[in-house]
Amino acid sequence: SAVISQKPSRDICQRGTSLTIQCQVDSQVTMMFWYRQQPGQSLTLIATANQGSEATYESGFVIDKFPISRPNLTFSTLTVSNMSPEDSSIYLCSVAKGGTDTQYFGPGTRLTVL
Amino acid sequence: KQEVTQIPAALSVPEGENLVLNCSFTDSAIYNLQWFRQDPGKGLTSLLLIQSSQREQTSGRLNASLDKSSGRSTLYIAASQPGDSATYLCAVRAVAAGNKLTFGGGTRVLVKP
Repeated sequence: SAVISQKPSRDICQRGTSLTIQCQVDSQVTMMFWYRQQPGQSLTLIATANQGSEATYESGFVIDKFPISRPNLTFSTLTVSNMSPEDSSIYLCSVAKGGTDTQYFGPGTRLTVL
Repeated sequence: KQEVTQIPAALSVPEGENLVLNCSFTDSAIYNLQWFRQDPGKGLTSLLLIQSSQREQTSGRLNASLDKSSGRSTLYIAASQPGDSATYLCAVRAVAAGNKLTFGGGTRVLVKP
């Protein structure tokens, strides 16, 4: 299994500011994933973060808006830049153990943008 | 493109009744299918993972079946309890999508005491 922690757990931010979300895993993993869950919706993959390389972004998400760092095999950050109320969501960090095995999720960061 | 559908979107049952949650997917070329539970405002908890070669998985009161050829999975929860109230999500890891999960919209379950 994998135990994942995220910081902060929630935040209320002003329009135009940026927030960096941290994700820490208790074991080394190759791939980490960042998801967004808008109110009342299911999960949407933002990007896949591999250690030592640029993150791979899904259609509709760009690096300027959601820069990601992956400095080592247990840690990653997601920044939500120049926020607007439409960015209000739960942001979730996730890892897959063994490539195609069970996927685990962090507790999420609940972001509200005013 | 893989599409995952969960019907119904919401379900309300009295305590003690068995729950049956459905998940369908359009592309049968999958690595595995995973069921999750999500409590309001929280992250996802993995319940069961079924590999493409398996027909079912069981854990306690939970049983999940997989019929890959028809693109269906069913999650059964026996003798439901109020603590089972949550949203249940299924997700498929398809061959065409590499290592990425595609999620269904979820079924919101309420178990009434």
